[in-house]
Amino acid sequence: DIQMTQSPSSVSASVGDRVTITCRASQGISSWLAWYQQKPGKAPKLLIYTASSLQSGVPSRFSGSGSATDFTLTISSLEPEDFATYYCQQANSLPTFGQGTRLEIK
Amino acid sequence: QVQLVQSGAEVKKPGASVKVSCKASGYTFTNYYMHWVRQAPGQGLEWMGVINPSGDNTNYAPRFQGRVTMTRDTPTNKVYMELSSLRSEDTAVYYCAREGLGGGNVWKAYDIWGQGTMVTVSS
Repeated sequence: DIQMTQSPSSVSASVGDRVTITCRASQGISSWLAWYQQKPGKAPKLLIYTASSLQSGVPSRFSGSGSATDFTLTISSLEPEDFATYYCQQANSLPTFGQGTRLEIK
Repeated sequence: QVQLVQSGAEVKKPGASVKVSCKASGYTFTNYYMHWVRQAPGQGLEWMGVINPSGDNTNYAPRFQGRVTMTRDTPTNKVYMELSSLRSEDTAVYYCAREGLGGGNVWKAYDIWGQGTMVTVSS
């Protein structure tokens, strides 16, 4: 199995802040990485696929970068609706998810 | 609109089986792979497996091999996930999720999710 490690596990930030979440794969996965946002009691929502492609309808303040083993999700200026948990997921082999990063209001 | 609608919550005893359904609408059902992902209370997401568009090939996560069966029924646009020999650790929300088609669109990621089905395993 490819292990996905996210950091930090949680982060506190304010509206308007820039936030970066990282995801590291235990082996190279090319660009086969996606990012999801999940709010309590809801299904995950796709934000980014193939490491840097923005899903249709997702605000442009979300961006993704990276390749091989190191990836980042950046939110350029936090909005109130962005406080949620974020997961990375690799699709290079049998899919696996990171453990999640909880983004909380400071 | 494009959506996946799952069956309702289930309560099962240890050792029993559960079968969750996921009905697709708003798109060509036979074009897409369908995955199942689960989430235990307060925990992260765990991939369980995938079924191909025609329903004749599946791929399961090793930890579920032998206990999970995924099927699909084209006339009703439904996919099913059956998990047997349930134990308390299987208590979770189970999601179906559509894998994007690629070709300039979503590729190797899940663009549409069902609303989730809570399965509780308790004696």
